[in-house]
Amino acid sequence: EVQLVQSGAEVKKPGESLKISCQGSGYRFTGYWIGWVRQMPGKGLEWVGIIYPADSDTRYSPSSQGHVTMSVDYSISTAYLQWNNLRASDTATYYCAAITVHGTYAFNVWGQGTMVTVSS
Amino acid sequence: EILMTQSPATLSVSPGERVTLSCRASESVSRNLAWYQQRPGQAPRLLIYGISTRAPGIPARFSGSGSGTEFTLTISSLQSEDFALYYCQQYNNRPPYTFGQGTKLEIK
Repeated sequence: EVQLVQSGAEVKKPGESLKISCQGSGYRFTGYWIGWVRQMPGKGLEWVGIIYPADSDTRYSPSSQGHVTMSVDYSISTAYLQWNNLRASDTATYYCAAITVHGTYAFNVWGQGTMVTVSS
Repeated sequence: EILMTQSPATLSVSPGERVTLSCRASESVSRNLAWYQQRPGQAPRLLIYGISTRAPGIPARFSGSGSGTEFTLTISSLQSEDFALYYCQQYNNRPPYTFGQGTKLEIK
């Protein structure tokens, strides 16, 4: 079974650092893009970015560029999303999702989400 | 950045009815359009990609159509489990691959 399993909920203070994870299984992790989607409380989906595990090629949304960093450790089939300076506005649920259908950039496999709360 | 606009924001319908959701792109996205369903407390689920191709396991009552900048998702006969949020997404050319703001299907 193809699945993505994300790390657990986090509570942080503004200015702190955080790295959340997403482990893939059931498919060739290095062969497909994996990305992140943000959902602020009660709001819609926001595309954060994607990374290609084989060579760490990354594409960020303009609003995320410079504030978050995507990375992978393909030896353990895991993708990461990292912040070095959290803001209260980063409070959201973050989904990782993979693109395993060739010829599209639609996310067809989703993780369960990681809730991040940033509050003083 | 391509802006995706969905309408209406909320749609009140009865089980068994046929419903059509709309999505408009600020510029042509060719065939690079997907639809997702999100039930309360769950992760989104891919329904349709490439305008009209159903993802594996998606019932035939879901269908997508459109071209260029105007797209629709049709649910032919609403089931109780279909009352949820629906998002369109474009993935044309360069990122960001933006989502619409969503349409909520609620029970009338």
